[in-house]
Amino acid sequence: GENVEQHPSTLSVQEGDSAVIKCTYSDSASNYFPWYKQELGKRPQLIIDIRSNVGEKKDQRIAVTLNKTAKHFSLHITETQPEDSAVYFCAASTGFQKLVFGTGTRLLVSP
Amino acid sequence: DAGITQSPRYKITETGRQVTLMCHQTWSHSYMFWYRQDLGHGLRLIYYSAAADITDKGEVPDGYVVSRSKTENFPLTLESATRSQTSVYFCASSETRGETQYFGPGTRLLVL
Repeated sequence: GENVEQHPSTLSVQEGDSAVIKCTYSDSASNYFPWYKQELGKRPQLIIDIRSNVGEKKDQRIAVTLNKTAKHFSLHITETQPEDSAVYFCAASTGFQKLVFGTGTRLLVSP
Repeated sequence: DAGITQSPRYKITETGRQVTLMCHQTWSHSYMFWYRQDLGHGLRLIYYSAAADITDKGEVPDGYVVSRSKTENFPLTLESATRSQTSVYFCASSETRGETQYFGPGTRLLVL
């Protein structure tokens, strides 16, 4: 079955810096890759997703890139702000199998 | 997000007691999921359901029971609670098996 690895487990940046979180997946048939943000004490919420027919997707300060050959995808946050501090989860799915989540990255943005 | 709710939001119980956590969604999503979240373990899938009366085990099903008599409800029961089941429990739903999952607000369970 699918296996998703996520790195780093924790990431500290200064406000205004960029942050990059990387995930690798094992099943080459995976075609859907969402990213979730979980603020302290809250539920995970979808922030962006990408499908295998697209190499990159942007939404304001957030972007996701996908490299199907290497089987990895990344979340990029530019001009980080303190409110970006949260735990971020990546996930992958073939569409026929349920989502498999990464173990999460705790991002801390210091003012 | 208001379409999926969980109750209770907080629960304190004692070892050996039966506890049921409720999950209700108004989207008519076919798939529903139960996760537990503990420090250092991310989201671990307990059980999921593809439709009414169809359930399947996730990676950590021991000590839990689920049922799904109606599409909109997916209760999770701890038949005899143990301290190791102290956790935050999230319910989620999705239209199809591999698509975006929408999470409920969570239930914080403390087993004394």
